[in-house]
Amino acid sequence: EVVLTQSPGTLSLSPGERATLSCRASQSVSDYLAWYQQKPGQAPRLLIYDASHRATGIPARFSGSGSGTDFTLTISSLEPEDFAVYYCQQRSNWPPFTFGPGTKVEIK
Amino acid sequence: EVQLVESGGDLVQPGGSLRLSCAASGFTFSTYWMTWVRQSQGKGLEWVATIKEDGNEKYYVGSVKGRFTISRDNAKNSLYLQMNSLRAEDTAVYYCIRGLLTFDYWGQGTLVTLSS
Repeated sequence: EVVLTQSPGTLSLSPGERATLSCRASQSVSDYLAWYQQKPGQAPRLLIYDASHRATGIPARFSGSGSGTDFTLTISSLEPEDFAVYYCQQRSNWPPFTFGPGTKVEIK
Repeated sequence: EVQLVESGGDLVQPGGSLRLSCAASGFTFSTYWMTWVRQSQGKGLEWVATIKEDGNEKYYVGSVKGRFTISRDNAKNSLYLQMNSLRAEDTAVYYCIRGLLTFDYWGQGTLVTLSS
């Protein structure tokens, strides 16, 4: 089973700042990694798939990079609605599909 | 517009059973793999089960194998999760999701609570 770890656990930033979130896999997942955003009381929403492809309707300030075991989600300039929890998820070696524990982006 | 609406969540005693349903609309249900993912306070997001478009392939996370059964009725655009021998650790919000390799649409979830 592929284990995903995310860092940091919490990121405290101000609107307008750049956010850099990390996801590391216990073994290579090629570029089969997705990122999701979850706000309180809502279901997760797909942001990025296959490491770097934005899902439909996702703003360009969200970008993903990486391959193999190390991945990054970057939010170029935080908007108020971007404060949320972000999860990574791999689909390379399944079953099972696995998720990371999440990074909370909070207002500083 | 793609919509996934779960129902069936409830408060149930350990050892009991529950059947979750998911009504799908806004897309051709019979051409998509479908998935259940759950989210609990202690374990975060956990993939539970996935079923092929025609229902002929099913996959489960190890902790639910032999207890949960995923199924679908393409004529009714509906996905199901039959949960038997429920345990305290099955307490979670259960999400119905379109897709196999990319989980692109999620329902709002239905809460299953185990308590004696």
